[in-house]
Amino acid sequence: SAVISQKPSRDICQRGTSLTIQCQVDSQVTMMFWYRQQPGQSLTLIATANQGSEATYESGFVIDKFPISRPNLTFSTLTVSNMSPEDSSIYLCSVALPNTEAFFGQGTRLTVV
Amino acid sequence: AQSVTQLGSHVSVSEGALVLLRCNYSSSVPPYLFWYVQYPNQGLQLLLKYTSAATLVKGINGFEAEFKKSETSFHLTKPSAHMSDAAEYFCAVSEGSSASKIIFGSGTRLSIRP
Repeated sequence: SAVISQKPSRDICQRGTSLTIQCQVDSQVTMMFWYRQQPGQSLTLIATANQGSEATYESGFVIDKFPISRPNLTFSTLTVSNMSPEDSSIYLCSVALPNTEAFFGQGTRLTVV
Repeated sequence: AQSVTQLGSHVSVSEGALVLLRCNYSSSVPPYLFWYVQYPNQGLQLLLKYTSAATLVKGINGFEAEFKKSETSFHLTKPSAHMSDAAEYFCAVSEGSSASKIIFGSGTRLSIRP
C-alpha cells in the first residue's frame, strides 16, 4: 500500500495569486497523478507527473496554468497559477502501484475569492 | 483512449431494495475497472476492482460487480440497500495496468429512502 500526504488540506486564496500543493508518498513510485474535482463533479485528470521528465498534461490543461514538479520518486508539487474563482476545487494527488490499486491523498480544498 | 459512462447521475432506492449502478466502459486494450465511493466531504474509497481475474468481483460493504466483455459493462450491485450506502459512486478505468492513469466516470449519487 501507499500513504499519501497532501499539504495544505485547504486554503482560501485571492484571485490572481498562485498556490503550490505538495504531495508526499511513503514509497517510491514511478508515476504520480494530479486530479481536480470541481464542486459536485467527478474527478478529472490534470496530468501525469513522471520523475526526471516533464509532466504529461491531459486535454484542456496546460503547463503555464498548472506547472508540476517531480524532483524525486516520492514527491511532487502542483501549482495553480493566476487563480480565478473557477479554479475553486479539490485537488487530489494519486499514485498507482503495480498489481494493486491506486491510492489517493485526502485532497486540497481550494477556494478562490 | 479509455473512457467510462455512468448511466444515471442520481439513483434513489428504498432501504432494503436492490442497488444497481450502471457503468459502461470503452478501452482499446483489456481494461482494469474500479468502483470508488465518496461520502460527503470525505476522500475516495475503493469498493472493488477488476483486474482480469474472476469476472464477478466482490467488494466491501456487500457490493459486487460483474465484468461483461460482450456488453462492455461493469455494473455495481448490492442486494439490500442500507441507509449508510448513501454516497457518490464513481466507476473508473485504467488501460490494462493498475499502474496506469485512471479515468473516472461522471459519478452517480445514490440516495436511500427510509
